[in-house]
Amino acid sequence: DAKTTQPPSMDCAEGRAANLPCNHSTISGNEYVYWYRQIHSQGPQYIIHGLKNNETNEMASLIITEDRKSSTLILPHATLRDTAVYYCIVRALYGNKLVFGAGTILRVKS
Amino acid sequence: ETGVTQSPTHLIKTRGQQVTLRCSSQSGHNTVSWYQQALGQGPQFIFQYYREEENGRGNFPPRFSGLQFPNYSSELNVNALELDDSALYLCASSLGLAGGSNEQFFGPGTRLTVL
Repeated sequence: DAKTTQPPSMDCAEGRAANLPCNHSTISGNEYVYWYRQIHSQGPQYIIHGLKNNETNEMASLIITEDRKSSTLILPHATLRDTAVYYCIVRALYGNKLVFGAGTILRVKS
Repeated sequence: ETGVTQSPTHLIKTRGQQVTLRCSSQSGHNTVSWYQQALGQGPQFIFQYYREEENGRGNFPPRFSGLQFPNYSSELNVNALELDDSALYLCASSLGLAGGSNEQFFGPGTRLTVL
């Protein structure tokens, strides 16, 4: 599985967009980009995933660069409840193993 | 639709003891994965079960073992507990194996403390 690189922490003002970057320069053609988040003392929560096209759901948007070597998770209007550790994961096509890195601690401040 | 549940929520054991953790997968899911999360770190993959068979294992010793039952619920067993086994143990369920779009749904975890 490809390795990912994320900044250790980020701050965001409540109501503003939070843009969380992720580098995955060794991603292969059949690997998906997944984002999960973990709120303190809870299990990780699935947010969104994509292969090469940009994706949007009710929680977030995922922007993947054309060369697929990096991506950005966008929380359009961050709230205090979005404070969590955000994990960017690149996952092989077959099998369900998720390889978690250290993630990005996002702090949303009022 | 019932989510992933785990029991117990907290557990305290002493070194050398054995422990069994339980997980009920989300309705309709046939695959269960177990992860260990030490304090301040991301979850680490232990193993996965698909239709009652082990399907993939991470870098964990044989004293970590598991079972999956016909109803797709699962157990994680750890023998000869060590202090470093203290962690949050997470169970995740999903539907099927192949296909990159099958997201995993995690339970709340079991916090194990080994004294």
